[in-house]
Amino acid sequence: ILNVEQSPQSLHVQEGDSTNFTCSFPSSNFYALHWYRWETAKSPEALFVMTLNGDEKKKGRISATLNTKEGYSYLYIKGSQPEDSATYLCALLNNAGNMLTFGGGTRLMVKP
Amino acid sequence: GAGVSQTPSNKVTEKGKYVELRCDPISGHTALYWYRQSLGQGPEFLIYFQGTGAADDSGLPNDRFFAVRPEGSVSTLKIQRTERGDSAVYLCASSLDRYNEQFFGPGTRLTVL
Repeated sequence: ILNVEQSPQSLHVQEGDSTNFTCSFPSSNFYALHWYRWETAKSPEALFVMTLNGDEKKKGRISATLNTKEGYSYLYIKGSQPEDSATYLCALLNNAGNMLTFGGGTRLMVKP
Repeated sequence: GAGVSQTPSNKVTEKGKYVELRCDPISGHTALYWYRQSLGQGPEFLIYFQGTGAADDSGLPNDRFFAVRPEGSVSTLKIQRTERGDSAVYLCASSLDRYNEQFFGPGTRLTVL
């Protein structure tokens, strides 16, 4: 059974601040790590899929790293904007490829 | 192109009633998944379909929950004798096949009074 923890649970930042959150997992016995962005009343949107230790992915102002040896992934947002306000979910895809195990999410609120 | 759609978007029902939640996956996606998000938690896996068959239903909480996908496309999640603890957002996702990216619908918010 995969276990995923995310911290912090919620975060308030000012527009323009850079921020980061953590996804931690005690076991690296999974196929891939996924980051999703979920705005209220919308569909969760995939941000990154990461599979290899040391992976770094970037999309605009958002980037992510994966360290399977030490059991964590970081998501960074540079220069936060109000439209970045959402819940950010980390999930592990099991080795059978058929099940995502999610952390509790980090709720980000960016004040203008 | 059309994404994953779910109906209804909101459902309010009374304790003990039967409900059906519908998911229309992306055309051509053979894999379909149901997840449930309770307040304050991340989504939890319920069931995975490969084509028409439920390949993994290990996440269904009890026998009041059942899901079907008779033609390998649309899926219906059925909940009998609803309880207040069933209140949650029910998410559906589909992918080309397992291991591929899962695309999520907007969810159905179920409230059991």
